[in-house]
Amino acid sequence: DAKTTQPPSMDCAEGRAANLPCNHSTISGNEYVYWYRQIHSQGPQYIIHGLKNNETNEMASLIITEDRKSSTLILPHATLRDTAVYYCIVRGGETSGSRLTFGEGTQLTVNP
Amino acid sequence: KAGVTQTPRYLIKTRGQQVTLSCSPISGHRSVSWYQQTPGQGLQFLFEYFSETQRNKGNFPGRFSGRQFSNSRSEMNVSTLELGDSALYLCASSRTLYLAGDYYNEQFFGPGTRLTVL
Repeated sequence: DAKTTQPPSMDCAEGRAANLPCNHSTISGNEYVYWYRQIHSQGPQYIIHGLKNNETNEMASLIITEDRKSSTLILPHATLRDTAVYYCIVRGGETSGSRLTFGEGTQLTVNP
Repeated sequence: KAGVTQTPRYLIKTRGQQVTLSCSPISGHRSVSWYQQTPGQGLQFLFEYFSETQRNKGNFPGRFSGRQFSNSRSEMNVSTLELGDSALYLCASSRTLYLAGDYYNEQFFGPGTRLTVL
């Protein structure tokens, strides 16, 4: 699985959009970008994933650059409950099993 | 539907003992993965079981083992506990879906078992 690089920490004001970047310059053509988050001492929670198109769900939006070497997770209206460590993970498709390789992630702190 | 269940939630053991942790996956999920989380090493993959067979293994010593039963429930065992085994052990239940031409690995994590080795 490709390695990812994320900033160690970010701050965001409550109600504003939080934009979390991720670099994955060695991603290969069949690898997906997944985002998970972990609120303190809880199990990680799936947020969103994508291959090459931008994706949106009820939690967030995922913007993947055309060359697929980086992506941005967008939380459109951050709340205090969004304070968590956010992990960007690159993994293969069906044949990769369920293994996730977590990096250090980004600690997002949403301030009132 | 019910989420991933892990038991026990907290455990205290002493060095040299062994421990068994249990995970009940979401109904219909046949894959169970285990992860170890420590402040120094972060979240690390231990192993994955699918249909009672180990499908993937991380880089951990043989003291860490696991198994999966026919009902997809899984257990992991750590023998000869060391202080460094103190960690949050997370279980993840998953299945792969094929939706609109896209493979999506639907994976849910349990709350974890906090193991303290004294």
